[in-house]
Amino acid sequence: QKEVEQNSGPLSVPEGAIASLNCTYSDRGSQSFFWYRQYSGKSPELIMFIYSNGDKEDGRFTAQLNKASQYVSLLIRDSQPSDSATYLCAVRNNAGNMLTFGGGTRLMVKP
Amino acid sequence: DGGITQSPKYLFRKEGQNVTLSCEQNLNHDAMYWYRQDPGQGLRLIYYSQIVNDFQKGDIAEGYSVSREKKESFPLTVTSAQKNPTAFYLCASSPRPGSMNIQYFGAGTRLSVL
Repeated sequence: QKEVEQNSGPLSVPEGAIASLNCTYSDRGSQSFFWYRQYSGKSPELIMFIYSNGDKEDGRFTAQLNKASQYVSLLIRDSQPSDSATYLCAVRNNAGNMLTFGGGTRLMVKP
Repeated sequence: DGGITQSPKYLFRKEGQNVTLSCEQNLNHDAMYWYRQDPGQGLRLIYYSQIVNDFQKGDIAEGYSVSREKKESFPLTVTSAQKNPTAFYLCASSPRPGSMNIQYFGAGTRLSVL
């Protein structure tokens, strides 16, 4: 079983819709969770991080964390074609010195 | 400008050759990391360093070596023992070990085999 799992996609949504990206993790002791966006051929850039149960909102992005169910999600409201990218979920280990990345979900927003 | 600089952007390796990828940061970050990314895949940790003159193996360290002689520099050598080196290599840094461990990435080096 992979430690951090994501559906590889592609997830296709129309422009203006809500895109929902999900991530599950196996280490119940994980404390911090990160979403990175990676455009094709580029390096990952941090979108959001979350460490408390519940929702965290930043502009059009909302991260949701449910530690009991061991999943974290990213919602993108009013999706734009420029949001088309691969979204990587990362989980910090208990020691706090490493991140484990999921395989990424490719999002396609169609005009 | 503050940031993480990786060089070269593209690199070609001949059979049996060692090549070194450069990673320099001027963010005064303590921790630095090297990842490998294969097409359509996530990031896999090769090596990481939390302090000067100290580093630890990640999940796929075989065929790679690193050094951390200066806080701002963490070069990665891909040795001839790495039989399938073609990948996108990413260097990252974070302010200090522990805490949130937010990692910031360089632009990457794309390595191919001739």
